[in-house]
Amino acid sequence: AQSVTQLGSHVSVSEGALVLLRCNYSSSVPPYLFWYVQYPNQGLQLLLKYTSAATLVKGINGFEAEFKKSETSFHLTKPSAHMSDAAEYFCAVMQGGSEKLVFGKGTKLTVNP
Amino acid sequence: DTGVSQNPRHKITKRGQNVTFRCDPISEHNRLYWYRQTLGQGPEFLTYFQNEAQLEKSRLLSDRFSAERPKGSFSTLEIQRTEQGDSAMYLCASSNTGGTTGGQFFGPGTRLTVL
Repeated sequence: AQSVTQLGSHVSVSEGALVLLRCNYSSSVPPYLFWYVQYPNQGLQLLLKYTSAATLVKGINGFEAEFKKSETSFHLTKPSAHMSDAAEYFCAVMQGGSEKLVFGKGTKLTVNP
Repeated sequence: DTGVSQNPRHKITKRGQNVTFRCDPISEHNRLYWYRQTLGQGPEFLTYFQNEAQLEKSRLLSDRFSAERPKGSFSTLEIQRTEQGDSAMYLCASSNTGGTTGGQFFGPGTRLTVL
């Protein structure tokens, strides 16, 4: 069965610092991978997705993620954090042939002034 | 494009009562999904519709849960004989090209509290 591990339930960075949120997946074949962001009292918003095209995926709000098959990872990065990036971030995997998204437990990002 | 809408946004009920939630997908999206999210966890898949056909169901969807999508437009999720363990955020999502390419677009959720 597919699973997603997000290392670190809480990450804190200073404004302007690099953001790195880690995601590792468990799958026997390369899956489809997604990052979503959830602001308080709101639904999930799609940040970016990997669907077997380029391994470096650019998303909205300056975020990007790199698919590394050898490490079964799909880490999310942003060069310079803004206060508005404070939210909870979820990594998710989908196996071909299924429409089910399997989510990690999420990482709450705090941005300090 | 008004996005996915869900009603009600909040529901408080007593144990043993039945509740029904509604989801209106993005117009012309033929795929609709239900997820459940509890505190400190990521969303968990419940079920998936393509048009009016329910094509996938999680084992989390016990016999007290039923979902429908008549005419392939809006969807309802009913929970019968609610239990305190049903307290969660219920999320609806939709897509038009299949979740693997287009991604799923989520609504704001319905927060259920069972007393």
